[in-house]
Amino acid sequence: ELKVEQNPLFLSMQEGKNYTIYCNYSTTSDRLYWYRQDPGKSLESLFVLLSNGAVKQEGRLMASLDTKARLSTLHITAAVHDLSATYFCAVDIPGTYKYIFGTGTRLKVLA
Amino acid sequence: ETGVTQTPRHLVMGMTNKKSLKCEQHLGHNAMYWYKQSAKKPLELMFVYNFKEQTENNSVPSRFSPECPNSSHLFLHLHTLQPEDSALYLCASSQEVLAGGRYNEQFFGPGTRLTVL
Repeated sequence: ELKVEQNPLFLSMQEGKNYTIYCNYSTTSDRLYWYRQDPGKSLESLFVLLSNGAVKQEGRLMASLDTKARLSTLHITAAVHDLSATYFCAVDIPGTYKYIFGTGTRLKVLA
Repeated sequence: ETGVTQTPRHLVMGMTNKKSLKCEQHLGHNAMYWYKQSAKKPLELMFVYNFKEQTENNSVPSRFSPECPNSSHLFLHLHTLQPEDSALYLCASSQEVLAGGRYNEQFFGPGTRLTVL
């Protein structure tokens, strides 16, 4: 069964702290996507990771991909309240247009 | 209009009603998708269309009927729905780049919040 699992599901952290969200997947995809969803809003693309060892950074967020371990991480540095949202990772199934999304990590940054 | 738009944004319907959700993408993409997002569940892929042809139907009940008249428009026709079909329905589009490798980042619409009474 194709699965994408995120860890943790809920994360409450203080401003200024660092933390990492993990995304494990069971298929042999070499592409991974991170999205952000604010309450009541749609999904916004954050990062597209296209190969093993890919690392992308935007502001306080950094995403990486290890295709051999089937693991991606989203690292938060010095969190601020504006980062509060739900973060999803997703993989696509090679040769198809199918995507499998993770369960999401609901992040709450406390002032 | 830019990006991916969806109408209506909110819909309340009875189990015997027939309604349709509309999605339009202004990005020149060739693939369009319907997703269902329920509370406490991962985002579920429902249908995929590539160049107006349906390429994926993820075992969706027949009370949901998609239609893709062209690469820019996607509909989801609803009839005799059940209360458990209440959810946020998201439309997305993507463009597959052939030169330089595959690249299927999806762009999402704002969603339609559906409530079935």
